[in-house]
Amino acid sequence: RKEVEQDPGPFNVPEGATVAFNCTYSNSASQSFFWYRQDCRKEPKLLMSVYSSGNEDGRFTAQLNRASQYISLLIRDSKLSDSATYLCVVNRGGKLIFGQGTELSVKP
Amino acid sequence: DGGITQSPKYLFRKEGQNVTLSCEQNLNHDAMYWYRQDPGQGLRLIYYSQIVNDFQKGDIAEGYSVSREKKESFPLTVTSAQKNPTAFYLCASSIANRAYSGANVLTFGAGSRLTVL
Repeated sequence: RKEVEQDPGPFNVPEGATVAFNCTYSNSASQSFFWYRQDCRKEPKLLMSVYSSGNEDGRFTAQLNRASQYISLLIRDSKLSDSATYLCVVNRGGKLIFGQGTELSVKP
Repeated sequence: DGGITQSPKYLFRKEGQNVTLSCEQNLNHDAMYWYRQDPGQGLRLIYYSQIVNDFQKGDIAEGYSVSREKKESFPLTVTSAQKNPTAFYLCASSIANRAYSGANVLTFGAGSRLTVL
């Protein structure tokens, strides 16, 4: 079993839809959590950190459930420009572990 | 502008040849990392360095070597011992590498695509 697992994609949604990505991690010693976005054939870029109380940045909401070892990312009112691969990242003892990514394709 | 520069962007290599990928940052970051990404897979850590003249193996270090003689530079050599070197290589840096610090946020270079012919 991989240490960080994400929903297998791809997700194909129409513009304006709400889409949710899930991520689970297996090591309870993990301390901090992030979502990165990666466009096709480009480098990943930080989308947002994930805080215990949950946090929101515009149309994006991230949540963390430490008891269930589960992280989520919700995108509301999706735009064409949201099409990308979303990577769940877990920090365990200073080592950053990446999930395999979930691809999102937003269609007109 | 501060950032990370990787070169070359594309590289072709014959089997049995060593190649070195360059990574330079002007962000004054202490920690630097090399990741490998294969199609449809997440990033896997090859090597990382928390401070000059020190580095540690990641999950897939076999067939690779690094050096950290300067804070700004963390070159990766892909040796002939790496059996499947064709991949997308990403260099990253962060302010620090500490377990409980938000300083672990990574800034990535644009990557180097290595193809073995």
